[in-house]
Amino acid sequence: GIQVEQSPPDLILQEGANSTLRCNFSDSVNNLQWFHQNPWGQLINLFYIPSGTKQNGRLSATTVATERYSLLYISSSQTTDSGVYFCAVERPSNYQLIWGAGTKLIIKP
Amino acid sequence: EAGVTQSPTHLIKTRGQQATLRCSPISGHTSVYWYQQALGLGLQFLLWYDEGEERNRGNFPPRFSGRQFPNYSSELNVNALELEDSALYLCASSLYGLEAFFGQGTRLTVV
Repeated sequence: GIQVEQSPPDLILQEGANSTLRCNFSDSVNNLQWFHQNPWGQLINLFYIPSGTKQNGRLSATTVATERYSLLYISSSQTTDSGVYFCAVERPSNYQLIWGAGTKLIIKP
Repeated sequence: EAGVTQSPTHLIKTRGQQATLRCSPISGHTSVYWYQQALGLGLQFLLWYDEGEERNRGNFPPRFSGRQFPNYSSELNVNALELEDSALYLCASSLYGLEAFFGQGTRLTVV
């Protein structure tokens, strides 16, 4: 089955720093989503990005489907960016989401 | 437009009891997905319902079951609760194969 690997597993940064999170996937997928899980457990949609580049404020994402990876960029980090960032890809055969293990991001003031 | 809503927010049960968790999808969405997330771990896929039918099931014992109603809302039932069933249960909805949106979750504690 499709494997999804996220890196790094943990990231600790000072407020104001920039970061890049990576998601690699092992096979062709229908689409890819990035989520942020806040400390209360809520999963918040960041990007729905099967290919190309999208930007939303300080966050942007790029998916290169032909090379089977996606990158999430966070600029000028704020403490509210802390949490776990998940990448999930959709398996073409049955539309099921396959999840990475997440990147735990801690932003220190 | 209302998002995905889950109830209850918190649920405390004793070992051996049954728990029922509920999910209302975004209006127009026909697919509902259930996930279990144990403390500090990733999401484990439980069940997927679409148009009232179970489409796929994760690697969980049969005491985890559910259903989807004609209005596309869904129930997750966990029978014979065990301590290790304590977790955050997340529900998501989508229009078949498109972007999935999550509810706030139900935190189940088994004592």
